[in-house]
Amino acid sequence: ETGVTQTPRHLVMGMTNKKSLKCEQHLGHNAMYWYKQSAKKPLELMFVYSLEERVENNSVPSRFSPECPNSSHLFLHLHTLQPEDSALYLCASSQTSGTINEQYFGPGTRLTVT
Amino acid sequence: AQSVTQPDIHITVSEGASLELRCNYSYGATPYLFWYVQSPGQGLQLLLKYFSGDTLVQGIKGFEAEFKRSQSSFNLRKPSVHWSDAAEYFCAVGPFNDYKLSFGAGTTVTVRA
Repeated sequence: ETGVTQTPRHLVMGMTNKKSLKCEQHLGHNAMYWYKQSAKKPLELMFVYSLEERVENNSVPSRFSPECPNSSHLFLHLHTLQPEDSALYLCASSQTSGTINEQYFGPGTRLTVT
Repeated sequence: AQSVTQPDIHITVSEGASLELRCNYSYGATPYLFWYVQSPGQGLQLLLKYFSGDTLVQGIKGFEAEFKRSQSSFNLRKPSVHWSDAAEYFCAVGPFNDYKLSFGAGTTVTVRA
């Protein structure tokens, strides 16, 4: 595998379900990100982990819970979601600390909440 | 605060014709600028980036962009589009040594035969 991978690619879940999104980066980067992409809206930065510590949480509802066990893996745990949470969730990684923040994205997980 | 505006929501262009996508940014310091492309069902792919130096930068897939500080713009161009260029294009701005990138809302490009 190369670059940034995400699983699953598609997910349909009910509002009472619990599911997790997984992201893995094979680029040796030290920062990972979760973005939400809704139709015709700018990308919304949800969470940032740098060196496995959360450095950003943009007022995201607690029904979204991130986890970064190491610099290569990032999870987004989902529970009791709302229909408006349906979107494309993108993971990205970059090398920070004294460099330009050039982010590399995964293919995304298309989430539908029913 | 940094922000990006992409004035055109949707552009339709004929195959073989030239393409220009507009991007205007607002940023207090030296901007670091990026263009990304997103094909249907895919993530974002970096097309090109500008940090310093020559204001005309070349990217992948035959794209180029020109940084104009006086106009706070970073427009993307391609001399001759191919049907495979149909996608959504995002401009982004970010500071040095910081994780925050601000993205525009995107421009959808349709290519007609």
